[in-house]
Amino acid sequence: NAGVTQTPKFRVLKTGQSMTLLCAQDMNHEYMYWYRQDPGMGLRLIHYSVGEGTTAKGEVPDGYNVSRLKKQNFLLGLESAAPSQTSVYFCASSALTASYEQYFGPGTRLTVT
Amino acid sequence: GNSVTQMEGPVTLSEEAFLTINCTYTATGYPSLFWYVQYPGEGLQLLLKATKADDKGSNKGFEATYRKETTSFHLEKGSVQVSDSAVYFCALSEDKTGGFKTIFGAGTRLFVKA
Repeated sequence: NAGVTQTPKFRVLKTGQSMTLLCAQDMNHEYMYWYRQDPGMGLRLIHYSVGEGTTAKGEVPDGYNVSRLKKQNFLLGLESAAPSQTSVYFCASSALTASYEQYFGPGTRLTVT
Repeated sequence: GNSVTQMEGPVTLSEEAFLTINCTYTATGYPSLFWYVQYPGEGLQLLLKATKADDKGSNKGFEATYRKETTSFHLEKGSVQVSDSAVYFCALSEDKTGGFKTIFGAGTRLFVKA
């Protein structure tokens, strides 16, 4: 099992450019999440999905869009990147269990100049 | 709303010292509680968990007890190693508020010196 994988690992964008981050999980988990991690701010939830074809906004959704066309994949899109979106992005997934422990990918470090 | 508060870091200890990282929470019901660890350059991984009051989670020499009366879930280890240097996150999830939405603390960075 690869667990949760993220592509790419690093990316540098210019302001206004667009990109898509891909997250894949092979654990047949129902729930998937996108977080951003900034120094001193812990993890903040951007968007999440409770199943294939469904998505919902988290704590900081502005400037991002997501799609979950297949159960194993969760895409995060930036339509017009801004320097404020410079961050480390983590994808996670969890099963439909009572404790909801999450499994994280290795992260994508994004710099917007 | 639900929240998690953990002690600010960084925490710097010598090898074989005793570790405590404090965590308190606010929740409306009966959450599950977690400690996640993040090693440099990696994603978070679950260290231990407890799903009901008085449960003790343990893993790799780390322990934490779910204390409902004090709404706390403090992380402890009797003898830390250099390899324990990482950032530790306390977290909770609760069915009542869409349990899959985990609330994370801000993280506590631990440095262990040889």
